[in-house]
Formats: sequence, structure tokens, C-alpha cells
Amino acid sequence: DIRMTQSPASLSASLGETVNIECLASEDIYSDLAWYQQKPGKSPQLLIYNANSLQNGVPSRFSGSGSGTQYSLKINSLQSEDVATYFCQQYNNYRTFGGGTKLELK
Amino acid sequence: QVQLQQSGAELAKPGSSVKISCKASGYTFTSYDISWIKQTTGQGLEYIGYINTGSGGTYYNEKFKGKATLTVDKSSSTAFMQLSSLTPEDTAVYYCARRWYYFDYWGQGVMVTVSS
Repeated sequence: DIRMTQSPASLSASLGETVNIECLASEDIYSDLAWYQQKPGKSPQLLIYNANSLQNGVPSRFSGSGSGTQYSLKINSLQSEDVATYFCQQYNNYRTFGGGTKLELK
Repeated sequence: QVQLQQSGAELAKPGSSVKISCKASGYTFTSYDISWIKQTTGQGLEYIGYINTGSGGTYYNEKFKGKATLTVDKSSSTAFMQLSSLTPEDTAVYYCARRWYYFDYWGQGVMVTVSS
């Protein structure tokens, strides 16, 4: 199975700050990567697919980038409603998820 | 709007089975596969498998073969997952989600608790 390693595991940032979350795949996943946001007690919501395509309805302050084995999710101008846990997921070879990054406000 | 409505929480005894449902609305049910995902605090998110809602064809993650059985009722736009031979390690939240590669809509999740 392809292993997905997210970093950091937790992150504290201020309102208006730019946040970056990284996801490292154990082998090339050819941009077959999605990012999800999960708020406490809720189901995950798709933010990004194909590494850099923004899902309909997702604010443009979210963006994805990367290729090969290294990918990142960027949140510009952090808002209070962005407090959540973020997961990456590869779909190149079966389906595996990263361990999550918990984002809190400083 | 697209919705996936899952059945309610389950409390089950070790060795028993549960069957949870996922009723779709707001789109053509047979145009999209339904996937199932397990979430625990310890193991995070794990992909169980998916069912082709048109043909009934299934794919299972090797880890969940023999544990999960996926079925579909096209007449009611509902997908089902049966979990058998339950152990405490099956205690988790189980989600259904639309599509089989990335997942664009998710159900609200079903908490399955296995305890004697």
C-alpha cells in the first residue's frame, strides 16, 4: 500500500495568516491526490482533487499543489471557520489517507 | 442537492453482524459508485471498498474482505454495508461517500460500537 505521511500533525496559526500542510507519498502518485476538511463531529468535505483542482463551492483561499510524491495544501488569510482537521488521500493505487493535520487558532 | 443519509448508531455484541444503510438523493443514483470508509481515533481513515451502483459489482480493500459485504437496492437508491463477526476492533464511525477515487459527498456517518 502507498503510505501517506502528513506534516505537521498539529498546527497553531493566527487569523489572516497563511498556512501550509504537507503530504508525502511513499511512491509517485501522479497527482492523484485529494484534500479534505473535517470539523469536529462532522463528516469530511472535499476541498481539492487532482492535486490542484478546487471543488465547487470551496473558497478560493484554499489551493493545492505538488507532483510526484510531494503535495501541499495552502490556506491563505486564515479564517476562524477553517479550524478543522485536514486529510490528504491518494487514489493512484487503491486508496489511502494521511494521518491528518489538526489546525487550531493561536 | 446531493445528500447521503445514513442509518442510525448501532450497538452490537461481539460475534454478531450489523447492516447499515446509505440513502442517496439529489442525483441519479446509478451514475455514481458508492464507497465506504472507516474512521477510528487510532487508525484514522481506512478505505473499505466500493460498489458500482449500476451493476452491483464490488471492490474490497484486502483488509476488509470477509468483514464487509456491500450491496445496493437501485429501487430505493440505497447502498448497504454489512459488517460480520464483529470484534471490538470494528468499533468506529463508518461513512458512505459518493465516487470511488476521491469522494465528493459524504454521509453523516454511523457510529458502530461493539461491546459485550
